Amino acid sequence: DQQVKQNSPSLSVQEGRISILNCDYTNSMFDYFLWYKKYPAEGPTFLISISSIKDKNEDGRFTVFLNKSAKHLSLHIVPSQPGDSAVYFCAASSYGGTYKYIFGTGTRLKVLA
Amino acid sequence: DGGITQSPKYLFRKEGQNVTLSCEQNLNHDAMYWYRQDPGQGLRLIYYSQIVNDFQKGDIAEGYSVSREKKESFPLTVTSAQKNPTAFYLCASGPGQGAEAFFGQGTRLTVV
Repeated sequence: DQQVKQNSPSLSVQEGRISILNCDYTNSMFDYFLWYKKYPAEGPTFLISISSIKDKNEDGRFTVFLNKSAKHLSLHIVPSQPGDSAVYFCAASSYGGTYKYIFGTGTRLKVLA
Repeated sequence: DGGITQSPKYLFRKEGQNVTLSCEQNLNHDAMYWYRQDPGQGLRLIYYSQIVNDFQKGDIAEGYSVSREKKESFPLTVTSAQKNPTAFYLCASGPGQGAEAFFGQGTRLTVV
């Protein structure tokens, strides 16, 4: 049972436009959400996170929105740049004595120059 | 340099052999994790450890074993019982609740 879902395997966006990547989750106990960026044959690198007590967090070109009632989060990248082309993973975690991160299946973003 | 080091980067194994993947961190993190990446399936959790000498099974622990004898080290053994071991393996560490995990560069294991 996939607790964290990224339903769009791929997304293409023109350079300078907004990229919106979506993620849905099923476990209401998740209290911390993260986005990672990954290039082929490399480890993921952390981008941005958000706690369940917030609904928005911003860091430069990256903004994460959390809608707890819909169990949905999104990552906005504005403006998109060719270097943003990568696979993006969302992840969720909950604290219940054993802290772990559950990842989605990823969305491949391609920013066209 | 602070970070997580996985070795080797590429590993070939014959069917029926056990193989151990190394993961070392000098970030002073309590928690460490092993994930497996297959095409189209994201990152799946194999094992994780919150403290030394303690670890828990993740979603796909069958055919794998780990140890956590030191805070800095969390080696993963892929045993002959793992039916489909060819994959990209990622190790991570983190300080715990409300913080991000940091990943190593990965080990690509191929069974020949």
